[in-house]
Parts: sequence; C-alpha cells; structure tokens
Amino acid sequence: ILNVEQSPQSLHVQEGDSTNFTCSFPSSNFYALHWYRWETAKSPEALFVMTLNGDEKKKGRISATLNTKEGYSYLYIKGSQPEDSATYLCASQVGSSNTGKLIFGQGTTLQVKP
Amino acid sequence: NAGVTQTPKFRVLKTGQSMTLLCAQDMNHEYMYWYRQDPGMGLRLIHYSVGEGTTAKGEVPDGYNVSRLKKQNFLLGLESAAPSQTSVYFCASSTRTSGEGADTQYFGPGTRLTVL
Repeated sequence: ILNVEQSPQSLHVQEGDSTNFTCSFPSSNFYALHWYRWETAKSPEALFVMTLNGDEKKKGRISATLNTKEGYSYLYIKGSQPEDSATYLCASQVGSSNTGKLIFGQGTTLQVKP
Repeated sequence: NAGVTQTPKFRVLKTGQSMTLLCAQDMNHEYMYWYRQDPGMGLRLIHYSVGEGTTAKGEVPDGYNVSRLKKQNFLLGLESAAPSQTSVYFCASSTRTSGEGADTQYFGPGTRLTVL
C-alpha cells in the first residue's frame, strides 16, 4: 500500500489570507496526481489532474504544482474566501493505471474565517 | 444528467443483518469504485470494477462483496454487518481519457451506514 501524506491536517485562516498545503506521494511508478475539493455534506469534486513533472494548473484563485521526481505537490489558494472552506484531498494514481485506482491522502481541512 | 447516484442515503442496521448498497452512473463509465470514509482515515478503497462482469479487491475488502452485472450499476453487499462497518460509503466512477490518460473520478453523494 502506497502512502500519500498531506499536511497540515487542518488550517484556520482569515478571509483574504493566502495559503498552501502539501501532498507527498511515492515517486516510483508515478502516473498522475489528483486534487479534489470536498465540502461538508457533499461529495468530493475534482479540481486538477496532473501528470508531468513541473506541471502547474490553475482554476480561479486556486493553483497546484507537481514535482514527480521528489514526490510532492502543492496546492495554493490566493486570497482565501469563506466559500473556500472545505477539505482538500490529493490522490496518487500509479503504474500503467489501466484500473484508474487512486490512493487518497487524509486531506487538509481549511476553515476560512470572515 | 444525474451523474452518480447512491441508494439508500442513510441506513441503520443491527449487528448480523445484511444489506446491499446500490450505485448507479449514467455516464457510460467503464470503471467503478466503492470507498469508505472514516474520521482521520481519508477515503479507503473497498472494491472496484474495470468493466461489466469484473470486480477486484481494494485496500479494505474484508466483510464486503460486490457485483457488476450491468455496466451502469455497482452493488456493495454486507452479508453480516458489524459495528466496525459503521461508516460513510462513497461510490465513484471514471473512464479512460485520451491524451494524458489520467482518470478523474466522479463521486456519488454517499450513504451513511450505522451498525448497532
């Protein structure tokens, strides 16, 4: 079983603060790295899928980077808003991935205070 | 377009009872997955299927069985429920994509199961 680790486990910030969190994953046999956003009482929704070393993806105020050689990805939120409050999950997809299986981290829970 | 649906949304069982959770997707996805989500544990894969008629074990398969008789449906069964199976269960589906070939999973709304 591969270990996907996320840090910090939780984060409280003020509205307007920028923040970032880390996902580390085994770099061997890497195929893709996924980020999901999970709001309370809802189901996880995909944010980004990244496959190439050095990839950078952006959606509005949220962006992510990928380093496959050292096995980490950062998620950045610029100017956090209360609606950004959610749990952010990363997941590693390994091997040739003809199964689409993902190994999820435990998530980083972000609380943005107005 | 409903996406991924799960029934039931909530269920309370007594130890030893059996039940089946139904997952349905209308996106013609080949792959389907069942996860459980427990506090501090993230999402853990129970079983998955890469196509109609095929299933495989995930990370935590013990105590569960699955069937994929139709492409759009993936059933999760608990033959003899135990309190340790109290959890929130999520179904997801995905399809092979061209280009990068990485597979975004689409999740259902979850089923909250309590075993007394």
